[in-house]
Amino acid sequence: GQQLNQSPQSMFIQEGEDVSMNCTSSSIFNTWLWYKQDPGEGPVLLIALYKAGELTSNGRLTAQFGITRKDSFLNISASIPSDVGIYFCAGQSRGTALIFGKGTTLSVSS
Amino acid sequence: DTGVSQDPRHKITKRGQNVTFRCDPISEHNRLYWYRQTLGQGPEFLTYFQNEAQLEKSRLLSDRFSAERPKGSFSTLEIQRTEQGDSAMYLCASSSPFPGTGELFFGEGSRLTVL
Repeated sequence: GQQLNQSPQSMFIQEGEDVSMNCTSSSIFNTWLWYKQDPGEGPVLLIALYKAGELTSNGRLTAQFGITRKDSFLNISASIPSDVGIYFCAGQSRGTALIFGKGTTLSVSS
Repeated sequence: DTGVSQDPRHKITKRGQNVTFRCDPISEHNRLYWYRQTLGQGPEFLTYFQNEAQLEKSRLLSDRFSAERPKGSFSTLEIQRTEQGDSAMYLCASSSPFPGTGELFFGEGSRLTVL
């Protein structure tokens, strides 16, 4: 079945640093989504990508849909303490359910 | 608040008991999804409704699990004869019917603990 490999598993950074995380898939996706989840809460949608090569920003967040359609990355610039949380990539092929990576846990020290 | 609403937020039950979770999607969304999330993992797909029709079920959805969406609005997820392995966060999400809008919007989840 389809698998998503998300890396890194965790990151410990200083406030103000930039962050990059990525996901790779064993199969082609038509949609890539990035979510953030705080403890005890549901995932919150950050960015949605629908076209290969698409680069989309949402404030300090930038995500790209890989040209091969098998990968995506998320960058966070100038991190702040409220960026702490678990970031999930999620991908979907046509006619299939959205599947999630295992998450990247981000810790930011001030 | 017009987001996805789930109830209860927390449920503690004894092994063998039945539990039911309710989800109220965003009002104009016709698609509704149930996911399960265990500690350290991403959400795993369980089942999906378009209006009142249950269109897809994961192999994770054993015969002890049943989901309904009788009027195409709210949905319920029932787990019969709960087992300790059922302990997880059960997440509901909804999405818009419009093409090209594949974003799922999640509720805050219902956390189940089976003792």
